[in-house]
Amino acid sequence: DTEVTQTPKHLVMGMTNKKSLKCEQHMGHRAMYWYKQKAKKPPELMFVYSYEKLSINESVPSRFSPECPNSSLLNLHLHALQPEDSALYLCASSPGDLYNEQFFGPGTRLTVL
Amino acid sequence: AQSVTQPDIHITVSEGASLELRCNYSYGATPYLFWYVQSPGQGLQLLLKYFSGDTLVQGIKGFEAEFKRSQSSFNLRKPSVHWSDAAEYFCAVRNAAGNKLTFGGGTRVLVKP
Repeated sequence: DTEVTQTPKHLVMGMTNKKSLKCEQHMGHRAMYWYKQKAKKPPELMFVYSYEKLSINESVPSRFSPECPNSSLLNLHLHALQPEDSALYLCASSPGDLYNEQFFGPGTRLTVL
Repeated sequence: AQSVTQPDIHITVSEGASLELRCNYSYGATPYLFWYVQSPGQGLQLLLKYFSGDTLVQGIKGFEAEFKRSQSSFNLRKPSVHWSDAAEYFCAVRNAAGNKLTFGGGTRVLVKP
C-alpha cells in the first residue's frame, strides 16, 4: 500500500459543529503532517507529528486539534470553526528521515457555513 | 529562513510544445528541492527531487529538472506537453531538520489543443 487516504472527501459544517478529519497511511512512515490550502495558494503547514509526538505546531488556532493515535493514523478535530477556515485540508506522510519526500493524500474539502 | 519563488503565475503552452517552469530558492546550505504537481481538487504528487549528485534530475511523466547552484534555480522542463499536464505545479525546499517544506506560490499550466 503506497498511498495516503483521507476521509471524508468533502465536509460541510456549521460554526457550532464538532467534526473530525481522518488520515491513514500503511507505508510504515513515522512522520505525518497536516496542511491547509486555500484556493490558488500553496499548502501551508499546520502540524507535524514525528514518531507519534507533536513536533511542530505552526501557531494554529486552538479550534484545530490534532491527534495521532498510532503511527498509521492522524486525526484533525475541528470545533467552532470560522467561514475563513474553509479550505482543502491535506495530509502527508514521510518515512521520517532527511532524504525522503512527503507523500500527500487527496485532501478533504471543508466548507464552514 | 528558506524561501521559494516561482516567477510565473500562469503559463499557456500548446500541446506538443516544450515547457519550462522556473523556480528560484533561497537557502543557506545545500538545498533539498522538490517539484510537485496538483490537479484540480486533488492532492500533490511528487514529480522529482534533488538532494545531491547529478544536477540533472529525471522524474515521472517525462519531466526533468536542473539544479543550478550559481543561479539558485531548480527549473522544471518537459520536451513535449500533453493535455493531461494541465495542472498547478509547486516547487518546494526542505529545511535542514527535514520536517518542513516551504512551497513556492505555484505555476498554473494551461495546455492549448
